[in-house]
Amino acid sequence: EVQLVESGGGLVQPGGSLRLSCAASGFTFSSYSLNWVRQAPGKGLEWVSYISSSSSTIYYADSVKGRFTISRDNAKNSLYLQMNSLRAEDTAVYYCARRKGSGYYADDYWGQGTLVTVSS
Amino acid sequence: EIVLTQSPGTLSLSPGERATLSCRASQSVSSSFLAWYQQKPGQAPRLLIYGASSRATGIPDRFSGSGSGTDFTLTISRLEPEDFAVYYCQHYGSSFTFGPGTKVDIK
Repeated sequence: EVQLVESGGGLVQPGGSLRLSCAASGFTFSSYSLNWVRQAPGKGLEWVSYISSSSSTIYYADSVKGRFTISRDNAKNSLYLQMNSLRAEDTAVYYCARRKGSGYYADDYWGQGTLVTVSS
Repeated sequence: EIVLTQSPGTLSLSPGERATLSCRASQSVSSSFLAWYQQKPGQAPRLLIYGASSRATGIPDRFSGSGSGTDFTLTISRLEPEDFAVYYCQHYGSSFTFGPGTKVDIK
């Protein structure tokens, strides 16, 4: 069974940092690209960042570019999101999601999310 | 950057009725890159449709997707109680844009 489990969320002050993790199981992690997607309270979905299977291709939303860094460790079946210079508007549930596969353009498995709250 | 617009914002229907949800792109996009998701309160999104018209694994055939160019449609042929949720379209390009969502609620 495919599973994605996010962790690392919590309360952080504006300007602070946080590192999110996503532990994967049930599939060949190194073969799949992954995304981080967030959802502010009561709002819609916002894509945050994408990383290809080999980490050779990385994209960021303009809203986080220069502040967030996506990475993965295929040996540990883990995806990460390093978040620096956090702002109140970064408050959201952060989901990791697996791209369905090479040649497919959708995310077929999602974690349950981890809540990040940026507040003083 | 492609912007997706979804309409209506809220759709109030009764179980058994047909739901038609629209997703419009600010410029023409490849159908291959258009996906639909369902999200219920407190849950992660669930992939329904990819490539504009292909159902994801385990998705009932009452869900169908269509469209091309700038106009795409998600149709739920007969609403079941579990279908009342928010639906998002997504362009899976270099910016992976989501639409604002359509809420389907019980009339």
